[in-house]
Amino acid sequence: GDSVTQMEGPVTLSEEAFLTINCTYTATGYPSLFWYVQYPGEGLQLLLKATKADDKGSNKGFEATYRKETTSFHLEKGSVQVSDSAVYFCARGGTGFQKLVFGTGTRLLVSP
Amino acid sequence: GAGVSQSPSNKVTEKGKDVELRCDPISGHTALYWYRQSLGQGLEFLIYFQGNSAPDKSGLPSDRFSAERTGGSVSTLTIQRTQQEDSAVYLCASSLVWGSNQPQHFGDGTRLSIL
Repeated sequence: GDSVTQMEGPVTLSEEAFLTINCTYTATGYPSLFWYVQYPGEGLQLLLKATKADDKGSNKGFEATYRKETTSFHLEKGSVQVSDSAVYFCARGGTGFQKLVFGTGTRLLVSP
Repeated sequence: GAGVSQSPSNKVTEKGKDVELRCDPISGHTALYWYRQSLGQGLEFLIYFQGNSAPDKSGLPSDRFSAERTGGSVSTLTIQRTQQEDSAVYLCASSLVWGSNQPQHFGDGTRLSIL
């Protein structure tokens, strides 16, 4: 069935390090792809999205490119900050009706 | 309000009791969703509403779970005869319209603890 697979965490980095969180998906058709972020004690917030192949979503220094050929949507940031510490969820839109399918989340810990 | 509002933010109750969780979506949003987030796990889709109707209830874990939405706005998720495995954070989200390209806006969740 349709699924989203993302790398297990926690990912531990020092401030200003380069971040990659891998995400791959399976789906029929061409779903929209999303990254959500969850800060401690809060709900999920949309970080970025891409709606078609080769689209690049970007926000707050984060980027992800919709790669149809590799069915991937990896999240990257060139220089992380302590405030980026959170759980990141990759998700893909559904077909037919809007049922988002989420990955299991990757916790990012950034130390000063 | 400006965002999705959920209440209560925390709920502690004894096993066997009924609980009701409330979600107030962003004004004007026609689609509303409920998810469950268990410790150390991802998000589990429970149910969604388009207006007041719920076309897909297949995500509800058991017949102890039910949800309704009235006036195309507020939704309540009811869990009857709660069990310890129902302990989780229940998240509500809404989107402007129904459609797979629409991002969902989440509330802060209700943390439910069953003793």
